[in-house]
Amino acid sequence: DAGVIQSPRHEVTEMGQEVTLRCKPISGHDYLFWYRQTMMRGLELLIYFNNNVPIDDSGMPEDRFSAKMPNASFSTLKIQPSEPRDSAVYFCASTAGERNQPQHFGDGTRLSIL
Amino acid sequence: QQPVQSPQAVILREGEDAVINCSSSKALYSVHWYRQKHGEAPVFLMILLKGGEQKGHEKISASFNEKKQQSSLYLTASQLSYSGTYFCGTVLQGAQKLVFGQGTRLTINP
Repeated sequence: DAGVIQSPRHEVTEMGQEVTLRCKPISGHDYLFWYRQTMMRGLELLIYFNNNVPIDDSGMPEDRFSAKMPNASFSTLKIQPSEPRDSAVYFCASTAGERNQPQHFGDGTRLSIL
Repeated sequence: QQPVQSPQAVILREGEDAVINCSSSKALYSVHWYRQKHGEAPVFLMILLKGGEQKGHEKISASFNEKKQQSSLYLTASQLSYSGTYFCGTVLQGAQKLVFGQGTRLTINP
């Protein structure tokens, strides 16, 4: 079975540009999570969805970040405008059920903002 | 709400044992353990749901002490493939989301 699929794997762009990260969860999973990982802050939960509805976006750093899940098989995380401090690895994960089920992570997007 | 992991880093020789601890200041519903190798995604190891519960797979096991709000991950007779960063994630009583600790970097040398 296909795992969580993220694209692109790497993104290098200049400050001020719009960045869109994409995620396809595992089929049948009803929870989707977006994480950001940096050396300084570790693995942070940005937002998560249940059945395509955002449940908790308290981890979204500021208004420059937005996330959508238009259907059960696709989600986007957008940064506009991007800043150098947004450089990080962004992971998407999905699970069937929430608190007592394992999360399956995608390979991540390594984002560099110059 | 972030759990605290200790130690931050461990260096072992192949065949030695290691213990990684994870503690919370609040009552826990569950503890999750993941391992992440350099440049890769975190990979699920196990979930502990009940106080005192122990789970294990081969030479990696874990315990969950609900009263102390702590979990420990045990790696026995470590292998080179065990190298990586180990994360615990905790779900608080009455809460929904998983919060990860800062990680423990484990290095196994031949």
